[in-house]
Amino acid sequence: DQQVKQNSPSLSVQEGRISILNCDYTNSMFDYFLWYKKYPAEGPTFLISISSIKDKNEDGRFTVFLNKSAKHLSLHIVPSQPGDSAVYFCAARGDGNQGGKLIFGQGTELSVKP
Amino acid sequence: NAGVTQTPKFRILKIGQSMTLQCTQDMNHNYMYWYRQDPGMGLKLIYYSVGAGITDKGEVPNGYNVSRSTTEDFPLRLELAAPSQTSVYFCASSSARGRGETQYFGPGTRLLVL
Repeated sequence: DQQVKQNSPSLSVQEGRISILNCDYTNSMFDYFLWYKKYPAEGPTFLISISSIKDKNEDGRFTVFLNKSAKHLSLHIVPSQPGDSAVYFCAARGDGNQGGKLIFGQGTELSVKP
Repeated sequence: NAGVTQTPKFRILKIGQSMTLQCTQDMNHNYMYWYRQDPGMGLKLIYYSVGAGITDKGEVPNGYNVSRSTTEDFPLRLELAAPSQTSVYFCASSSARGRGETQYFGPGTRLLVL
């Protein structure tokens, strides 16, 4: 059973516009969420995170929103740049989760066109 | 700092062969992880370790073994390679400071079992 889902395998946006990547989860025990970015032939790199006690976290062009009642989070990139083209994974960590294990979504491939 | 390094980058195995995927980190992190990523799927946890001498199974441990004799190294062993183990393997590490601590990933090992 997929506890973390990214239902859009791909997203294409124009440079300068907003990119919105979505992620849904099923386990209400998750209390920390992260977004990772992955370029081809490289490992994922940490982008931004949010604790379940918050509903928004911002870092430069990147903002993550968390809606706990809907079990939904989203990553907003404004403005989008061609260098943002990559696969984005959301991940969740549970309360009392020993070892800091992460559950990942399937990923969304973002393409930002000049 | 090199961060997390993995060797080899790419390997082709015949069914039934064995091999060890190497992972080393130089950040003095206590926690280390092995993930596999199949096409169109997220990363799934194979094994993890919370410190030298301590390992535990993740979501998909069958067909794999690990050991953690030092803080720096966390090799992943495939004893009898099967086509289902064709995947990209990522090693990651994190400190034990807290739930919000991010994981740092290596560049991955692409494995093809024929």
